[in-house]
Amino acid sequence: DTAVSQTPKYLVTQMGNDKSIKCEQNLGHDTMYWYKQDSKKFLKIMFSYNNKELIINETVPNRFSPKSPDKAHLNLHINSLELGDSAVYFCASSQGSGRHQPGELFFGEGSRLTVL
Amino acid sequence: AQKVTQAQTEISVVEKEDVTLDCVYETRDTTYYLFWYKQPPSGELVFLIRRNSFDEQNEISGRYSWNFQKSTSSFNFTITASQVVDSAVYFCALSEPYNNNDMRFGAGTRLTVKP
Repeated sequence: DTAVSQTPKYLVTQMGNDKSIKCEQNLGHDTMYWYKQDSKKFLKIMFSYNNKELIINETVPNRFSPKSPDKAHLNLHINSLELGDSAVYFCASSQGSGRHQPGELFFGEGSRLTVL
Repeated sequence: AQKVTQAQTEISVVEKEDVTLDCVYETRDTTYYLFWYKQPPSGELVFLIRRNSFDEQNEISGRYSWNFQKSTSSFNFTITASQVVDSAVYFCALSEPYNNNDMRFGAGTRLTVKP
């Protein structure tokens, strides 16, 4: 049983399109994240949700909009895709947030987005 | 904001050599957590260890060991008798509980172990 699952795993699309990546975790965690990994392998946090509430919102273009319908799901919608959006997007979850002891992040397998 | 520096971009060793991956961090908090993750060529991110700021004991797990030194703000990772399967990108990360557990990663060190 996959702990953190993302779909799709690969996504190839044209500039200007809108696309979504879905993420689900079955670990019962209360915090979920989106990270972006660029071609140089640099991992940068984008968003974090705790119990459906946005708690971390890094400097990310407005074209990126996360949505958390419940604490087990965190989707990422990207409007008007640009070449620079090409990257691997990782979803992750953890137990513990705020002033509680943070657990380790459990990552999904990543979604490789290629914008042509 | 916290910062994690992994100065070694790439390291190449021959199998059975020992190798140490460096990690230096910056934080203003007295309570924080440090992590190491491994990303093999297949791309997934694998958790290796978590250490809190109040526990400076070194840890050993098989061929892996970690040396946490608050005096130098370092959390180095050593692989003893490296193997080809250890080839991966290794990330050090820092999380601050009083900052919504915002976990920041270093740039990663690519380790290549040659047979």
